[in-house]
Amino acid sequence: DAEITQSPRHKITETGRQVTLACHQTWNHNNMFWYRQDLGHGLRLIHYSYGVQDTNKGEVSDGYSVSRSNTEDLPLTLESAASSQTSVYFCASSESLGGQETQYFGPGTRLLVL
Amino acid sequence: RKEVEQDPGPFNVPEGATVAFNCTYSNSASQSFFWYRQDCRKEPKLLMSVYSSGNEDGRFTAQLNRASQYISLLIRDSKLSDSATYLCVVNLPYPLKNQGGKLIFGQGTELSVKP
Repeated sequence: DAEITQSPRHKITETGRQVTLACHQTWNHNNMFWYRQDLGHGLRLIHYSYGVQDTNKGEVSDGYSVSRSNTEDLPLTLESAASSQTSVYFCASSESLGGQETQYFGPGTRLLVL
Repeated sequence: RKEVEQDPGPFNVPEGATVAFNCTYSNSASQSFFWYRQDCRKEPKLLMSVYSSGNEDGRFTAQLNRASQYISLLIRDSKLSDSATYLCVVNLPYPLKNQGGKLIFGQGTELSVKP
């Protein structure tokens, strides 16, 4: 069955370190998204991509970067981890149906920055 | 004003109760509307899309009022398994019609169904 996976599922790191969170989907979806979820804020969009070599900033993109070299993967990199980036990170994907598409979420990565 | 606002909850109801969640959105260009369900410490999952004519899926009924920019979800005959956080989600279309839009999530309303 097609799916979307994230790794690692849990990560502890120190401030200042570079961290990369992986997202892999096997649906061949064009669109991929990264969100973070924090108490009191709900899900907030970090970066998104509508296809290979396309990336766009979301509402909370500072300190994060993504690259899209193939359809299946959209890794999220924290350039220099900060304690404020402690959060739960969800990756999602969807087809391009002119805005009518449903997003499917990965299981999430819990990141703790000490 | 938040782009998507929901009742903060939590809603604590007995089994068998009917419960209604309300949601308002601010961007009149929004085209697609959804309710997602999120169980504790899990990923959000689509519960149902919301159509202008209203739609029903078993015990769940969703309504959309575009003029008032208001969305609702009604759960009848609540089950213990309905306990979760319900997210109101609105799509903002990407400028190019052949590409996907962005989803804007409400903060969610927590439902706890008690025996």
